[in-house]
Amino acid sequence: DAGVTQSPTHLIKTRGQHVTLRCSPISGHKSVSWYQQVLGQGPQFIFQYYEKEERGRGNFPDRFSARQFPNYSSELNVNALLLGDSALYLCASSYWTATDTQYFGPGTRLTVL
Amino acid sequence: KQEVTQIPAALSVPEGENLVLNCSFTDSAIYNLQWFRQDPGKGLTSLLLIQSSQREQTSGRLNASLDKSSGRSTLYIAASQPGDSATYLCAVIEAETSGSRLTFGEGTQLTVNP
Repeated sequence: DAGVTQSPTHLIKTRGQHVTLRCSPISGHKSVSWYQQVLGQGPQFIFQYYEKEERGRGNFPDRFSARQFPNYSSELNVNALLLGDSALYLCASSYWTATDTQYFGPGTRLTVL
Repeated sequence: KQEVTQIPAALSVPEGENLVLNCSFTDSAIYNLQWFRQDPGKGLTSLLLIQSSQREQTSGRLNASLDKSSGRSTLYIAASQPGDSATYLCAVIEAETSGSRLTFGEGTQLTVNP
């Protein structure tokens, strides 16, 4: 079975631009979460979606938004990019409950110049 | 606010050595704890998940323990190999009213020298 997939792998943008990152969960998984990992630090929670509804939001500005589609794939959107948004963006999927293992994709490396 | 700390930040050992990585968390009201491995520039690979009702989990050369009351977990790696070189992250899973999130430590960077 395919694991969590993310696209694109790498992305270079300039300040002020907008970016869309995509994630496809493991087949059968209905929950998708997004994390930001700055170099040298642990991942920070951004959003969790389940059944197309937002179920959790981390401490990120409104420039960050996300959505989940009927097939459970998800998009993370970031507007008005700042240099500090440069990071590895990770997507994780799970069945749902807090007791379920979360599986991560390979990430999207975003560089903002 | 939950805080997760991992000690040491970096560790270098010779091949074959047994080693222990430490993880501590400030709020013991967790559902479970998960250990991950991350290779440079890559995503996270799940190693072990310990439910809050469990004391330990084992997978091959890896053994993870959990002591909720003291807010501590350890990851024991037996007979280390150069292929074990990576950053190891622990994360606690907090279930909110309508969701769950992982709170991560900053990781321990492990180097196993041949």
